[in-house]
Amino acid sequence: DAKTTQPNSMESNEEEPVHLPCNHSTISGTDYIHWYRQLPSQGPEYVIHGLTSNVNNRMASLAIAEDRKSSTLILHRATLRDAAVYYCILRSGGYQKVTFGIGTKLQVIP
Amino acid sequence: DTEVTQTPKHLVMGMTNKKSLKCEQHMGHRAMYWYKQKAKKPPELMFVYSYEKLSINESVPSRFSPECPNSSLLNLHLHALQPEDSALYLCASSLGTYQGRMNTEAFFGQGTRLTVV
Repeated sequence: DAKTTQPNSMESNEEEPVHLPCNHSTISGTDYIHWYRQLPSQGPEYVIHGLTSNVNNRMASLAIAEDRKSSTLILHRATLRDAAVYYCILRSGGYQKVTFGIGTKLQVIP
Repeated sequence: DTEVTQTPKHLVMGMTNKKSLKCEQHMGHRAMYWYKQKAKKPPELMFVYSYEKLSINESVPSRFSPECPNSSLLNLHLHALQPEDSALYLCASSLGTYQGRMNTEAFFGQGTRLTVV
């Protein structure tokens, strides 16, 4: 599996935007970029995914670099409920593994 | 219904016990997964079932035995576990390879917190 690199932890003030970076320099042409998050004492939760174009949904936005070697998950207005570990994952179109890296622990400060 | 339901939520078992973890989904997903998560670590993939057949075993010890009796159910049978097997066990499901869209999200259950004494 291609590897992703994320900062171990980040802090954000409540109600401010948060940009969570992910590097994936060995990404292949068929790899989709997925983001999941895991709140304390819960199972992981899907956030968003994309291939080449930027994506928006009700939870977040995903900005993908033109060369696809990096991406950024954007939470437009952080709330205390967004405090979680965020995982950036590469998932090949025909392959079924969801392999987690270390992830970024996001702390939201009131 | 977009839920993956895992039972029990908590389990304490002795090293000589036999127990089973259960996972159920009714989303029509044909790929199901077991993960193990130790405290402050990311989930680690254990097994993948595709169309009720075991497709990936990540070199998991034989004291863990998965079973997929039908397309909605996934079990993990436990026997002669060690204290270091204490962890959160997560089940997940997603659309299978031949279910149209090739790259979709996985849905996770809340996990079973297992303690081996």
